[in-house]
Formats: sequence, structure tokens, C-alpha cells
Amino acid sequence: EVQLLESGGGLVQPGGSLRLSCAASGVTLNTYAISWVRQTPGRALEWVSGITGSTTYYADSIKGRFTMSRDTSKNSVNLEMTALRVEDTAVYYCAASTTALGLLNYWGQGTLITVSS
Amino acid sequence: DIQMIQSPSSVSASVGDRVTITCRASQGISFYLVWYQQKPGQAPSLLMYDASRLQSGVPSRFSGSGSGTDFTLTISGLQPEDFATYFCLQRNSFPLTFGQGTRLEIK
Repeated sequence: EVQLLESGGGLVQPGGSLRLSCAASGVTLNTYAISWVRQTPGRALEWVSGITGSTTYYADSIKGRFTMSRDTSKNSVNLEMTALRVEDTAVYYCAASTTALGLLNYWGQGTLITVSS
Repeated sequence: DIQMIQSPSSVSASVGDRVTITCRASQGISFYLVWYQQKPGQAPSLLMYDASRLQSGVPSRFSGSGSGTDFTLTISGLQPEDFATYFCLQRNSFPLTFGQGTRLEIK
């Protein structure tokens, strides 16, 4: 069974940076399409970014500020977040698919990012 | 970006009822519509994909239909475990976009 574990969340000031990681156990993440999805305090879901193979895709709201990448040595996927804004405050989920970025079969438990001064 | 509009935003129903949730895309997305269910305190889970294909393990009381811009999720014979929030997602083009969610509450 695929298990995903996010790490790296926390409190950060506006304009700051954070790196989220999504690690997997039981599978090699290279073979999966991975998405980051966030859930705002109002409970809305927003697809943030995705990687399939080595190709990345991003939501307009974070384009140019967030970078997603694979770390094959650690069997993980990272999300480098810069120039953080208050509106980036959310629970960030890592989710995986064996087929396509939108078919998210497996989800982590989420990690909370709070952007506040 | 493609906008996904779900309705209603919330609905109250009783065990045994039939409920329909709709999702409308701002432009055609063929059949590339996915439904997720989220229970309180949990991550979303994949319910249905490509408009009408049931994810493995999902009960057959869930059904979906639609293509182009208009889609529906129907739950026939509501069970207590079905009270949750439902989100649609279009996967036709990037960026992927979710609907705002429909909260299904017990009447």
C-alpha cells in the first residue's frame, strides 16, 4: 500500500520561504504522478502543482513562486515555496496517482502552512 | 483557467434519500471530470473518475454522468457514511481546478 508523508510545514512570515517534502514508503515515487493540493481555512481545495515524469505543472496563483521537483535519492517530491503570501495559508496535501495527475488515488495526511506576521 | 461551479453548496438529506450534486465547467472538458469525497479530519478520497467510472471499492449507490460542461453525481439510498463534502475536479487541462465543494449533511 502506498503511504505518503508530508513534512516541512509551519509558521512563516509573509515574503518568507519553506520547503515541503513528500516521502513515500512501499513504492518508488518516480513511477507515480504527484500533485500538491491545498485546502484553505474555508475548506476549499486548490490544485497547486503536479509532476508527471519530469514535467511539472503549476496553478497560476503560485507560478513563479513555487517549484516542484523529485528527489530520487530520497524517494520524495519537494515543493519549494518562496515569496509566501497570507493567502497561501492552508493544509498542503501530497497526492499520488498511478495514471494521471488528476486521478489522485493516494493522499498524505497533510501539513499546515501558516503565513502570518 | 477552467472554472468549476458546483451546486448546491450544501444539502440536507436523510438516510435512504437520493441526492444529486451538479458540477458545471466554464468550458468543455469532455468527460475528464473527477469526484472526490472528503470526511471531516481526513484527506479527500477518489470516488469517481472520467465522469462515470466508479473507483475500485466505491459502492454502486454512487453514480455519475455528464460530458462537455455539465456533470452530476448521484447517491441513491444515502448511508450514514456518505455524509461528507464532495468536490469535483476537471482534469482536461492544466491547471487542474476543483469545484468549491458540496457539503452533504444529515437532516
